[in-house]
Amino acid sequence: GENVEQHPSTLSVQEGDSAVIKCTYSDSASNYFPWYKQELGKRPQLIIDIRSNVGEKKDQRIAVTLNKTAKHFSLHITETQPEDSAVYFCAPNVGGYNKLIFGAGTRLAVHP
Amino acid sequence: GAGVSQSPSNKVTEKGKDVELRCDPISGHTALYWYRQSLGQGLEFLIYFQGNSAPDKSGLPSDRFSAERTGGSVSTLTIQRTQQEDSAVYLCASSFQRGDQETQYFGPGTRLLVL
Repeated sequence: GENVEQHPSTLSVQEGDSAVIKCTYSDSASNYFPWYKQELGKRPQLIIDIRSNVGEKKDQRIAVTLNKTAKHFSLHITETQPEDSAVYFCAPNVGGYNKLIFGAGTRLAVHP
Repeated sequence: GAGVSQSPSNKVTEKGKDVELRCDPISGHTALYWYRQSLGQGLEFLIYFQGNSAPDKSGLPSDRFSAERTGGSVSTLTIQRTQQEDSAVYLCASSFQRGDQETQYFGPGTRLLVL
């Protein structure tokens, strides 16, 4: 089955610094690569996604980069703020379909 | 518009009892997913309904778990003879089925505690 790994599992940064989380996957048919954010006690919410025909996508302070050859994609957060503190999940699709497989999550802590 | 809703929000039950968890997806969404999230852990895929096709049940952990989706809308996840290890938050999500609209929208979850 699809194998999805995230690194690091925890990340602690100072406010204003950048944060990068990497996700590796095994299914060569994956063509949709989203990142979800889950704040404590809340439901996961999509923050950014990218498709396999694009190498990078930006949305204000967040960006996602994709290396389909190496089968990994990364979440980049610049100028981090305390409200960015949350657990972030990558969730590539399986077999090119809508089914997503979630990584184990990365707990990001942004310290003022 | 209304988002994904789930009920109950919390459920406490005794070991060995059956429980039913309900999910109301966003209107018009043809795909529906169930996940399980244990405390501090990731999302474990359970089952996936896609339109009129047979559901993908590959994530159900045992035959005590089953789910159905009636009329292509509301779904019920049933856990029979609950065990303490079933304690977790059960999350439901829905999405369009079209290949360019895969975004999954999650409900608030049902927190299940098996005593």
